[in-house]
Amino acid sequence: GENVEQHPSTLSVQEGDSAVIKCTYSDSASNYFPWYKQELGKRPQLIIDIRSNVGEKKDQRIAVTLNKTAKHFSLHITETQPEDSAVYFCAARDTGRRALTFGSGTRLQVQP
Amino acid sequence: DTAVSQTPKYLVTQMGNDKSIKCEQNLGHDTMYWYKQDSKKFLKIMFSYNNKELIINETVPNRFSPKSPDKAHLNLHINSLELGDSAVYFCASSLSEDRHSPLHFGNGTRLTVT
Repeated sequence: GENVEQHPSTLSVQEGDSAVIKCTYSDSASNYFPWYKQELGKRPQLIIDIRSNVGEKKDQRIAVTLNKTAKHFSLHITETQPEDSAVYFCAARDTGRRALTFGSGTRLQVQP
Repeated sequence: DTAVSQTPKYLVTQMGNDKSIKCEQNLGHDTMYWYKQDSKKFLKIMFSYNNKELIINETVPNRFSPKSPDKAHLNLHINSLELGDSAVYFCASSLSEDRHSPLHFGNGTRLTVT
């Protein structure tokens, strides 16, 4: 089955700086890569996703890039704000099973 | 009008007891999931049902038994609870015919076994 690795496990940045979180996946047939944000005590919520036929997608301060050849995808947050502080999860859809396999999460802390 | 709702939100019980968690979605999705999130925040798939049919059954102790009476409901029954079962259990749903359908999560059930 799919295996997703995520780095770093923790990331601390100053307000206004950029943050980058990286993930790799193992199943070359995976075709869907969402990112979720989980605030303390709350449910994971989708913030952006990318399909395998697209290399980059942007939504305001958030962007995701995908390199299918290298099986890498990354989340970029620009002009970080304290409310961006949360745990971020990358995921990949295993086409055989339909479920999402999640990375281990990155705890982002934005220092005001 | 919560899209994916779970009950209860908190569950505190003693070792050896049996407990159930209920989940309902009103999104019209046909696939539902149970994920377990441990203290280190790992989100791990446990089960998935598509139109009441079990399609994913990960390596989970058989003390855990999911049941889906219809495609809008998925329940999780746990027998003989153990300390290691303490975690947050998330229900989620998606649309199977859309290969790019994201998962919509419920608010989670925090299970504490003492």
